[in-house]
Amino acid sequence: AQSVTQLGSHVSVSEGALVLLRCNYSSSVPPYLFWYVQYPNQGLQLLLKYTSAATLVKGINGFEAEFKKSETSFHLTKPSAHMSDAAEYFCAVRNRDDKIIFGKGTRLHILP
Amino acid sequence: NAGVTQTPKFQVLKTGQSMTLQCAQDMNHNSMYWYRQDPGMGLRLIYYSASEGTTDKGEVPNGYNVSRLNKREFSLRLESAAPSQTSVYFCASSGGNTQYFGPGTRLTVL
Repeated sequence: AQSVTQLGSHVSVSEGALVLLRCNYSSSVPPYLFWYVQYPNQGLQLLLKYTSAATLVKGINGFEAEFKKSETSFHLTKPSAHMSDAAEYFCAVRNRDDKIIFGKGTRLHILP
Repeated sequence: NAGVTQTPKFQVLKTGQSMTLQCAQDMNHNSMYWYRQDPGMGLRLIYYSASEGTTDKGEVPNGYNVSRLNKREFSLRLESAAPSQTSVYFCASSGGNTQYFGPGTRLTVL
């Protein structure tokens, strides 16, 4: 069964610093992978998705993620954190029957 | 184009009461989903519908029923609410390999 593991339930970075949120997947077939963001008291919003085209995927708000098959990883990065990036981030994988399986989430804190 | 809408936004129930959460999408998607979100647990799939007239259990279906009334609407029913069902419930639909989420329903069961 496909699954994702997010390393770190909470990550803190200083404003202007690099953001790195880690996600590893488990899949027996080439996966479709996603990152979603959830701001307080809101639903989930798609940041970016990997669908077996380019391995480096650019998303909204300056985020990007790189699919690395050898490491079974799909880490999310942003070169310079902004206070508005404070939110919870979810990595997800789509399995064969169109169900999407979510990681447990990583809450990103931005320090002034 | 409203996307995915959910009603109500908030609800408080007493143990044993029943209620139905409503969800509708206007994107002509075949697949629709119900999730619950609890702190530290991420989103867990309750039920899933691949098309009108079909439903399938997800990871945590116990205590819930669903109805795919038509292509647009997918409702979630709690027949006898329990405190363990206190959660935030999200409906979603999918098209083009992407899921689109509603704003959520915050349910408290006393």
